[in-house]
Amino acid sequence: DAGVIQSPRHEVTEMGQEVTLRCKPISGHDYLFWYRQTMMRGLELLIYFNNNVPIDDSGMPEDRFSAKMPNASFSTLKIQPSEPRDSAVYFCASSRHHNSPLHFGNGTRLTVT
Amino acid sequence: AQSVTQLGSHVSVSEGALVLLRCNYSSSVPPYLFWYVQYPNQGLQLLLKYTSAATLVKGINGFEAEFKKSETSFHLTKPSAHMSDAAEYFCAVSPNTNAGKSTFGDGTTLTVKP
Repeated sequence: DAGVIQSPRHEVTEMGQEVTLRCKPISGHDYLFWYRQTMMRGLELLIYFNNNVPIDDSGMPEDRFSAKMPNASFSTLKIQPSEPRDSAVYFCASSRHHNSPLHFGNGTRLTVT
Repeated sequence: AQSVTQLGSHVSVSEGALVLLRCNYSSSVPPYLFWYVQYPNQGLQLLLKYTSAATLVKGINGFEAEFKKSETSFHLTKPSAHMSDAAEYFCAVSPNTNAGKSTFGDGTTLTVKP
């Protein structure tokens, strides 16, 4: 079991650029979550999927953020255009059921200058 | 609806001392409860979980937690702190139903002094 795999580990970009974060969940997990972690706001749930279908995207900050899950083994979180306030660590997590323990990736540290 | 309150954003103990991290929850349905640990530059890892079986739950690294329904608490303890326990700890609640998602507390940073 390779765990949840996120790429890249670090991303530095300039304001206005498009950023795409990637996630491969654990095989057999039906739920996939995207979280954002900052010092000021802590851990925030952005969106989650069940069987590749978005269930709750109420945590997505604004229209600049979008997430997709084209198949059971891949998801992306896109920010376009990026802003300095988007700087944070973005985590992907997966779970077998909605109330099972979450398995987190090691995160992508995004810096927008 | 559900929520989690972790009392104390920072806890400092001496090596060998008791660790007590507090978590209180509210939930409109019977809850599942979890403790996660986050080491620097890593994602959260599951420490232990309560899913309506035994109220005293043992986890990894010598940690345990007790579910107390009357107090709506799920405090995390370890009899003797080790330097490697220094990390951030998160309590989370999930509904014991067919829908919903986990709600996380704000986290408690544990410092262990030599």
